[in-house]
Amino acid sequence: AQSVAQPEDQVNVAEGNPLTVKCTYSVSGNPYLFWYVQYPNRGLQFLLKYITGDNLVKGSYGFEAEFNKSQTSFHLKKPSALVSDSALYFCAVRVSSGNTPLVFGKGTRLSVIA
Amino acid sequence: DAGVIQSPRHEVTEMGQEVTLRCKPISGHNSLFWYRQTMMRGLELLIYFNNNVPIDDSGMPEDRFSAKMPNASFSTLKIQPSEPRDSAVYFCASSPTGGQGGQPQHFGDGTRLSIL
Repeated sequence: AQSVAQPEDQVNVAEGNPLTVKCTYSVSGNPYLFWYVQYPNRGLQFLLKYITGDNLVKGSYGFEAEFNKSQTSFHLKKPSALVSDSALYFCAVRVSSGNTPLVFGKGTRLSVIA
Repeated sequence: DAGVIQSPRHEVTEMGQEVTLRCKPISGHNSLFWYRQTMMRGLELLIYFNNNVPIDDSGMPEDRFSAKMPNASFSTLKIQPSEPRDSAVYFCASSPTGGQGGQPQHFGDGTRLSIL
């Protein structure tokens, strides 16, 4: 079975500081990994994905994520946080090819404080 | 481009009533997913379709829930009869095929359902 863990329910960071939102995964094959962001009263918005290749993936709004196979992690990062980055962040994984559903983590609430 | 469109955005109804949620996926997307989001349970997959055919409905909580996809551009999720514990935000998502599993799912803005 495939699963995703987001160990932190809440992350607080000061505006301008770097941020990291953690994600670890468990799959029996090669993973396809995704990050989504959810703003209040909105649906989940796709940020970035890792399929293969370079372990550092760049996405929307200045976010990036680093795939680490040995640690089975896919942490989301941003060099300088903005107050507008405050939202709920979800990590997701899919292991098989084709259009099976993504398996989502429970989400991490990011608060960026001015 | 138009994204996934869900209606209504908000629904308040009394226990026992029938509720129908609607979804229009992105044109050309072959897969459609229904999710439910609550504070207690997070994001739960209810059912998904590939090419209008239901593939896995094991997440549908009870027989009171049913979903259909009569064509590639429309899906419904129906609850009959509704109960207060069905109160949640219901999301529809769609994705294209191909890309060997690398296609992201695109979400609508959800229907906030309150059963009194």
